[in-house]
Amino acid sequence: KQEVTQIPAALSVPEGENLVLNCSFTDSAIYNLQWFRQDPGKGLTSLLLIQSSQREQTSGRLNASLDKSSGRSTLYIAASQPGDSATYLCAVDGSGTASKLTFGTGTRLQVTL
Amino acid sequence: DAGITQSPRHKVTETGTPVTLRCHQTENHRYMYWYRQDPGHGLRLIHYSYGVKDTDKGEVSDGYSVSRSKTEDFLLTLESATSSQTSVYFCAISDVGEKLFFGSGTQLSVL
Repeated sequence: KQEVTQIPAALSVPEGENLVLNCSFTDSAIYNLQWFRQDPGKGLTSLLLIQSSQREQTSGRLNASLDKSSGRSTLYIAASQPGDSATYLCAVDGSGTASKLTFGTGTRLQVTL
Repeated sequence: DAGITQSPRHKVTETGTPVTLRCHQTENHRYMYWYRQDPGHGLRLIHYSYGVKDTDKGEVSDGYSVSRSKTEDFLLTLESATSSQTSVYFCAISDVGEKLFFGSGTQLSVL
């Protein structure tokens, strides 16, 4: 059974700092990996999707990398802002058709002024 | 929220009563999903649909049923609600291998 772990569970950084969020998964037979953002009381917003054949994806200040063989992904946030404060979740898709994602429990990020 | 509407947004019900949650999409995506989110467990897949009348079980399907009679609507039914089904329920949609788009969620409390 696939298990997804995100460490740390919570992180506080000052504004402007670059930071890395970590995600690890136990079964390397995945089709893709997604990073999501969730604000309190809200649904999830997909930030980046990395196909299993890709090594990284970038969107603005966000860069996600994938090392499938070692079961690891990182989300790099450059020049963090208070508006980046949210919970970040990673999820892996092992199905290849329907996106039956297995989620980590997330990293709660707070960016302070 | 990418054309996804969940209803109701909040519901309080009593143990043993049936409950139906509705998800409506305007994006014509093939796949629709129901997830539940609980502290310490993250999001877990309950059921999903890959087309009209085509559904399958997810990781935590016991006590839940689903139906999809139209492309745009996906219903989740708790046949006889239990306190362990108190949770936040999210509907999501996608096409093959594409990003998931989530609704705003339904907070369900079973007393």
